[in-house]
Amino acid sequence: AQTVTQSQPEMSVQEAETVTLSCTYDTSESNYYLFWYKQPPSRQMILVIRQEAYKQQNATENRFSVNFQKAAKSFSLKISDSQLGDTAMYFCAFRFRNLIFGKGTKLSVKP
Amino acid sequence: EPEVTQTPSHQVTQMGQEVILRCVPISNHLYFYWYRQILGQKVEFLVSFYNNEISEKSEIFDDQFSVERPDGSNFTLKIRSTKLEDSAMYFCASSSFSQKNEKLFFGSGTQLSVL
Repeated sequence: AQTVTQSQPEMSVQEAETVTLSCTYDTSESNYYLFWYKQPPSRQMILVIRQEAYKQQNATENRFSVNFQKAAKSFSLKISDSQLGDTAMYFCAFRFRNLIFGKGTKLSVKP
Repeated sequence: EPEVTQTPSHQVTQMGQEVILRCVPISNHLYFYWYRQILGQKVEFLVSFYNNEISEKSEIFDDQFSVERPDGSNFTLKIRSTKLEDSAMYFCASSSFSQKNEKLFFGSGTQLSVL
């Protein structure tokens, strides 16, 4: 069975600084997809970034980038130039058939 | 950007009562999902639905749960006889394709409280 682990329940960062959120997963599959979702106080789940396991190049979306280490089954999210609007819960997710989520990391960006 | 809409945002019910959670997926989407998140726990997959039938369901989705697309726009989750442990945030999601890299659009959730 696939599992997703986020070992940091809460993190904080100063505005304009960089923060990295950790995620590890366990699977015996070789072709799968990884996602980071953001859940602001509005409770909506918003896709931040996605990575295809067969691609070695790390995905980037503006200030968001990932460090995908397939052998280590690690998929961390780096947020550069943190903004107050980045304050949210961040969920790492794995998809082989259905989407499987980690427990989330609560990120607070402080002014 | 188009949105998935869920109603109500918060529902309170008595144990043993039936509840129906409602969702309006994005209009041209074909695949629909329900997830739930018990407070402090992971977001868990419940069921996926395509072409008017369940395509996959988890162990959580037992005989107390059912889903329906009663018309061309709504997608509902029914819990027949609620238990205390059904208290959770329920998320509806939809996508246009079922491919593994396909983006799921999530609603804002319905917080179900069973007393």
